[in-house]
Amino acid sequence: EVQLVESGGGLIQPGGSLRLSCAASGFTVSNNYMSWVRQAPGKGLEWVSVIYSGGSKYYADSVKGRFTISRDNSKNTLYLQMNSLRAEDTAVYYCARAFSQLEPTLSFDYWGQGSLVTVSS
Amino acid sequence: QSVLTQPPSVSGAPGQRVTISCTGSSSNIGAFYDVHWYQQFPGTAPKLLIYGNINRPSGVPDRFSGSKSGTSASLAITGLQAEDEAHYYCQSYDSSLSGLVFGGGTKLTVL
Repeated sequence: EVQLVESGGGLIQPGGSLRLSCAASGFTVSNNYMSWVRQAPGKGLEWVSVIYSGGSKYYADSVKGRFTISRDNSKNTLYLQMNSLRAEDTAVYYCARAFSQLEPTLSFDYWGQGSLVTVSS
Repeated sequence: QSVLTQPPSVSGAPGQRVTISCTGSSSNIGAFYDVHWYQQFPGTAPKLLIYGNINRPSGVPDRFSGSKSGTSASLAITGLQAEDEAHYYCQSYDSSLSGLVFGGGTKLTVL
């Protein structure tokens, strides 16, 4: 059974750093396209970043230069390193697996339960 | 403001048919990029409902259907049921932004 379990969220001060983890089971992260999608409280979905199976990485303009997506093949885990956090980064962060590898319009068939990141002083 | 525009809310009575529109531009839907649709209940992760404009993943009832024309796409739900009350999001790719984009979401209310 495919499962994605996020962890690492919490309360952080503006300007701080946080790393989210997404532990996968039932499939191999490195063989798939994986993404992070966030949702601010009471708001819609916003794509954050994607890593292709080949290692290419892409980011939304709103996080470019501050966030880094990566994976640890030995742990079958996806990460999102978030630096220079701002209040507007407050959201539930979901990791998601791409349904297929038909670039660039990926769809996502499996999602984690989400991890809440709150940026506030 | 989302690149893909959806109505904030739609409603319908049980058994009726409702449609949710997703309007884009020449840099996303109009550029022949696929549109996908998700269903989300409060406090839960989104669920893939339609992929590649018209396709349903295994397990999604055929009451849900997608279409695309020009710079717009639509999600249709027939035989509306109380359990369909949720938020619905469209998603595509935008070449100007070089990234994936979501619509602002539509809340479906079953009267």
